[in-house]
Amino acid sequence: GENVEQHPSTLSVQEGDSAVIKCTYSDSASNYFPWYKQELGKRPQLIIDIRSNVGEKKDQRIAVTLNKTAKHFSLHITETQPEDSAVYFCAARKNTGFQKLVFGTGTRLLVSP
Amino acid sequence: EPEVTQTPSHQVTQMGQEVILRCVPISNHLYFYWYRQILGQKVEFLVSFYNNEISEKSEIFDDQFSVERPDGSNFTLKIRSTKLEDSAMYFCASWGAGTSEDTQYFGPGTRLTVL
Repeated sequence: GENVEQHPSTLSVQEGDSAVIKCTYSDSASNYFPWYKQELGKRPQLIIDIRSNVGEKKDQRIAVTLNKTAKHFSLHITETQPEDSAVYFCAARKNTGFQKLVFGTGTRLLVSP
Repeated sequence: EPEVTQTPSHQVTQMGQEVILRCVPISNHLYFYWYRQILGQKVEFLVSFYNNEISEKSEIFDDQFSVERPDGSNFTLKIRSTKLEDSAMYFCASWGAGTSEDTQYFGPGTRLTVL
């Protein structure tokens, strides 16, 4: 089955710096890659997603890139702010929308003022 | 914006007891899911449900677990005889077939503590 690896497990940056979180997936049939932000004790919240027919997607300070050949995708946060501090999970899903999400192990991002 | 809701938010139970976790998916969604997250770990898939049947289940979802859609709005997860290792946050999610959206919407979770 699908396996999603995520690095780093923790990431500390200064406010204003950029942060990059990387994920790799194993199943070439995966075609949808969402990123979730989870604050302590809260539900995972979708922040950005990308489909396999697109190489890059951007939404304000957040961008995701996908390299299908290498089976990896990355989350880029620019101009980080303390409120970006949370755990970020990547996920992969194959085929169609009803398929399960397979999550990475999470990255704890700490943005220091 | 429509949301997935879950009750209770916290559930404390004794080992061996049965628990039922409840979810109300988004009203026009047809696919429902349960995921769990042990404290400090990743979110793991348990089961998916469509048209009153299990579509897929993980190896975690053994005979102690069952799911049901008892009426037109609720979706439940039952654990028959809880174990200490069932302590986790349980998230319900739903997805709307027939839309162009890819997103599964997550509920706020139920924190289950087994003593």
